[in-house]
This record gives sequence, structure tokens and C-alpha cells, in this order.
Amino acid sequence: GENVEQHPSTLSVQEGDSAVIKCTYSDSASNYFPWYKQELGKRPQLIIDIRSNVGEKKDQRIAVTLNKTAKHFSLHITETQPEDSAVYFCAPQGGYSTLTFGKGTMLLVSP
Amino acid sequence: DAGVIQSPRHEVTEMGQEVTLRCKPISGHDYLFWYRQTMMRGLELLIYFNNNVPIDDSGMPEDRFSAKMPNASFSTLKIQPSEPRDSAVYFCASIPGVSMNTEAFFGQGTRLTVV
Repeated sequence: GENVEQHPSTLSVQEGDSAVIKCTYSDSASNYFPWYKQELGKRPQLIIDIRSNVGEKKDQRIAVTLNKTAKHFSLHITETQPEDSAVYFCAPQGGYSTLTFGKGTMLLVSP
Repeated sequence: DAGVIQSPRHEVTEMGQEVTLRCKPISGHDYLFWYRQTMMRGLELLIYFNNNVPIDDSGMPEDRFSAKMPNASFSTLKIQPSEPRDSAVYFCASIPGVSMNTEAFFGQGTRLTVV
């Protein structure tokens, strides 16, 4: 199965700073790379995704970059706001992998 | 569509009792997943179904756990007998289409407390 690792496990930033979370995976056949956000007490929800034919995708303050050769992809959040505080999960899919999530990164944005 | 629906939202039970969690996936979704979430272990995949057939149950912790999907619109996760270490939030998620390489939609979860 897919081995998925996220770094860091926790991240504290000041409002307005940028945040970067990295996800590494093992299955070279993975071809879909989503990021989910889970606010406290709520369900995980997709915030951005990328497919293997694209190197970068941006949606307002969030972006995802993909390095298929090195088997990692990253979530970038610019101009962070307190409402960005949440746990973020990656879940690379494709090939023989099932829907395996990383352990999550807790992002805390301080005003 | 109302999204993935789980019931109950909260369950408190005594050790040794049987617990049944329920999930209604989004209509037309071919994949259904059950997860257990704890602070220590994150989101653990327990089992998933494709077109109502269990495909991978390697994440089911032990024989006390069982899951069924009798039809495309309903699945259950049963714990018998329950133990305090089973306390967690259990999520159900569904994915549309032939390939699972697309967005997963989660239910609101069931918070289980075993005392």
C-alpha cells in the first residue's frame, strides 16, 4: 500500500505569514494529489487538488506544487489568516493505493 | 443531494455493548470508506467497498469490528463487544465514478465514547 508522510506535524505562524506543508508518498503510480482541511469538530473537506500532468495549481491564497520525480507535493498558503487554523491532510491516490491519508499537519495562525 | 449522512452523531455506550454506526453515501457514488480518527493515530482507513463489495478490510483492528454494505445506499460498521479504546470519531466517505482518483466526500462523523 501507499506510505504517506506529512511534514511538519505542527506549524505555528503569525497572521500574514506563509505556510508550507509537504507530503511524500511511495507509490509512483499515484496520479491524483489532493489536500483536505479539517476544522475543529468538523469533517475533512477538499481545498485544492492537482493531477500528475500539472506541476502547480493556484486558487487565491492557496497553491499546490507537485514533484513526481521526487514523489512529493506541497501545500502553500500565503497571507495566512486565523481562519486558516485547522488540520491539513494529504491523500495521494492512483495506482494500487487506496484512500490513505497522511497523519495531518496542525496549522495555528496567531493574530 | 444532502451529502454523506451518518448516524448517530454521538454515541455513548458501556463497555461490552454492541454499537452500530450507519452511513448513507451520496447517490451514485461507487466507493465507500470507513475511517477511525484519534489524536494519536490520525485518520485510519478501516475498510472500503466498491459497488457494495468489500475490497480491503486490512485496517479493521480485530474481529470485534465488522462492516456491511447490503445495498448502494447504506452501510454499517458494527463493534461487538465495544471497549474503551474504541472511543474515537468514525467517518464515512464516498467517492464517485469508476476510478477513485477524485474528491472524497465525508459525512459529519459519529463520535463514539465507550465507558
